[in-house]
Amino acid sequence: NAGVTQTPKFRILKIGQSMTLQCTQDMNHNYMYWYRQDPGMGLKLIYYSVGAGITDKGEVPNGYNVSRSTTEDFPLRLELAAPSQTSVYFCASSYSPGRQGYNSPLHFGNGTRLTVT
Amino acid sequence: ELKVEQNPLFLSMQEGKNYTIYCNYSTTSDRLYWYRQDPGKSLESLFVLLSNGAVKQEGRLMASLDTKARLSTLHITAAVHDLSATYFCAVGSGGATNKLIFGTGTLLAVQP
Repeated sequence: NAGVTQTPKFRILKIGQSMTLQCTQDMNHNYMYWYRQDPGMGLKLIYYSVGAGITDKGEVPNGYNVSRSTTEDFPLRLELAAPSQTSVYFCASSYSPGRQGYNSPLHFGNGTRLTVT
Repeated sequence: ELKVEQNPLFLSMQEGKNYTIYCNYSTTSDRLYWYRQDPGKSLESLFVLLSNGAVKQEGRLMASLDTKARLSTLHITAAVHDLSATYFCAVGSGGATNKLIFGTGTLLAVQP
């Protein structure tokens, strides 16, 4: 199993450009998340989804959009990129807590390193 | 609003020594996770702690949870260089959504 796959691994954007970060998982997890990690900091939750067609905002949603049309895919869209969005973006997935009890850690992808100049 | 604080932020240890990383959180939660991150890499799940008094051990690492004090500890026994990494605690927020709020991390450097 590939687990959680993110593409691209690296990207440089100019201010005002847009892009989509791709995330797909093959573990049949119904929960998926997007986090960003700024240098020397912890992770901040951007958006999450508890199933296809259901998404909700996290701690830092401004400037981002998501969609969840399938169980496997959870793309993150950046509109009008700004330097403040320079970060490493991690996608993660998990079972719902009820399926395996609450023993359901998040499984993370390898991240996308984004620079906005 | 749930806040998660870790200390210390940076820890330089000698091989063979013991030390503890602390994770405090501000509101009631039903689960706490510890993750490890190597430089430039993704996060690896180490422990899941679900109840008051829970203790988990793997090798030289032992994690515990005190829900009444809203405190978790990650204890390192007889540190070795391979344990050098950043360690994060993450606390469950939002019940069934399994959202996690992360601490700022502890950068552990084990010196020979």
